[in-house]
Amino acid sequence: GAVVSQHPSWVICKSGTSVKIECRSLDFQATTMFWYRQFPKQSLMLMATSNEGSKATYEQGVEKDKFLINHASLTLSTLTVTSAHPEDSSFYICSASAESSGIYSYEQYFGPGTRLTVT
Amino acid sequence: DAKTTQPTSMDCAEGRAANLPCNHSTISGNEYVYWYRQIHSQGPQYIIHGLKNNETNEMASLIITEDRKSSTLILPHATLRDTAVYYCIVRASGGSYIPTFGRGTSLIVHP
Repeated sequence: GAVVSQHPSWVICKSGTSVKIECRSLDFQATTMFWYRQFPKQSLMLMATSNEGSKATYEQGVEKDKFLINHASLTLSTLTVTSAHPEDSSFYICSASAESSGIYSYEQYFGPGTRLTVT
Repeated sequence: DAKTTQPTSMDCAEGRAANLPCNHSTISGNEYVYWYRQIHSQGPQYIIHGLKNNETNEMASLIITEDRKSSTLILPHATLRDTAVYYCIVRASGGSYIPTFGRGTSLIVHP
């Protein structure tokens, strides 16, 4: 149990276009989802925290108008990279947690990541 | 959440035990020690967690010192597939939690 999926697993897009990455919790309801970005040979950097039905909270230095996050349901959050540039090329990882009682409560489960390459 | 300190890298021979240390000297009484690992180009994978007692599961063992200021993750029989970056995180249980990762330990298992 506690599976988090991401789609697509990799994507190549042209500079100036937008790309959407989906994060789904497959067998539990995720009240909170997190988006991370990871550059080569570096650790995961938290970009934003999103709660279902409310606006995402962005970390300092992350442009909210560039990285649009929508957490429309308890099983789906999306990250849209708008007007992508080559420097946005990175590995994007989502994670989900269920803040309620139950077997998955408060634990954090990670998706497999999405490799974005902007040409 | 308390800060952790891990060695940057370690190596281990296949079939031998890999012992990965973590210092968390400022850990609070209600904070757990969590271990994750990240294989190249994959998302982090949960390994194990504990509060003060030693823990063991099918993946690893976690040894926490009596004063809880440090811990060791033990992979009893390392395989090549255990080559990954291992992250030690301390966090409070329950409630809201913003997970952050340090640089972790890059473990290389060699034949």
